[in-house]
Formats: sequence, C-alpha cells, structure tokens
Amino acid sequence: DAKTTQPPSMDCAEGRAANLPCNHSTISGNEYVYWYRQIHSQGPQYIIHGLKNNETNEMASLIITEDRKSSTLILPHATLRDTAVYYCIVRVAYNQGGKLIFGQGTELSVKP
Amino acid sequence: NAGVMQNPRHLVRRRGQEARLRCSPVKGHSHVYWYRQLPEEGLKFMVYLQKENIIDESGMPKERFSAEFPKEGPSILRIQQVVRGDSAAYFCASSPPTGGAPRADTQYFGPGTRLTVL
Repeated sequence: DAKTTQPPSMDCAEGRAANLPCNHSTISGNEYVYWYRQIHSQGPQYIIHGLKNNETNEMASLIITEDRKSSTLILPHATLRDTAVYYCIVRVAYNQGGKLIFGQGTELSVKP
Repeated sequence: NAGVMQNPRHLVRRRGQEARLRCSPVKGHSHVYWYRQLPEEGLKFMVYLQKENIIDESGMPKERFSAEFPKEGPSILRIQQVVRGDSAAYFCASSPPTGGAPRADTQYFGPGTRLTVL
C-alpha cells in the first residue's frame, strides 16, 4: 500500500472549515483514499473514502486532485467535538478484505 | 444496528496470567481485524480473520498471541503469560463480505479493550 504524508498537527477555529491535506504521490490506479479519525481513547471512526472523484457525506468532503497524488479532507463547520487525530490511508480494493496501515496522522485541535 | 462490540472494556492482569479479549462484529460482517495501540504510539495491524480462518497474521507476535473467529460466537484474541509490554489498547474492526468482487471494504471499529498488566 502507498505511503502517505500528513502534517503532524493543525489548529482550526470553531465554526470554520478544517482542511486537512494528505500527500500520496506513489498511489496506484487501483488504490482508494480512506480517512479515519480517532478521538482521544476511542476506536477509530470511518469518515469517508474515494477513488478519483470527489466525495461528500454527512461528515465531510473529500477532494482528490486530478493526478490523485494528493487529497484534502474538509470538515465544513468544525466543532470542538471534531478535535481528534485524522488518518489518511491508501489501500487497494481487495476481494478478500485487507489490513489498514495507519501512519502518524494529523492531530487537529478545534479551538473556541 | 449494533456496531462492533468489545469486552471487557478494561482488563487488568498480573504478569504471567492469560488475557482473553472478545469482539462481536457488526451483524452480517464476516471479516474481523485486530489492531493494537501501544501507549503514545500509532495503531498497528495484528491479524485478519474470516469465519474459522486466519487470512493474515503478519502483525501478530510469534509467541503467546493467538486469535480465532469461530463459526458461532465472537472473535477471541488470546494473550498467554502476559508481560508489562502487552499493556495497550486492543481494537477490533469488522467489515462486510465482499461478494467475491474487488471493492473498497470499509472497516468499522469497536471501542477497544484497554489491557493493563501489573
């Protein structure tokens, strides 16, 4: 699975959009981009995933560049409860499942 | 729908004892994964199981650790003769069957079991 690079930490003001970048310059054509987050001491929470098109759900939006070498997770109106470590993961779609490889992630602090 | 359930949530063992961690996947999910998070470290994959089969155990320590996912009942992660270095949070995740076609299978995580070895 491709390696990802994320900034170690970011701050965001409450109510503003949080834009979390991820570089995955060695991504292959059959690899998806996944985002998870881990709020302190809790289990990781799935946020969103995509292959090449931009995706949006009730939690966030995922913007993937045309060359797929980077992506941005957008939390449109960050709240204090969005303070967490955010993980960007790229992995192949398997027909038999497969492990997630977590990096260090970005520690997002949402401040009042 | 109930999510992934893990029990116990907290487990204290003395060195040399056995620890048994249980994971009930989301109803209908046939894939189970175990991950470990040591204090102040990232999440590390341990093992991937389907019903009655171990598919990938590349992250499991070679000794003292074992996992199973029987036809009936929860998945069990077993740690024999625990040592202080086993103190960590152990997370279980599950995902649905893929139906034989390659696709992005999303893993859903449980709340974890925090093991403390005294």
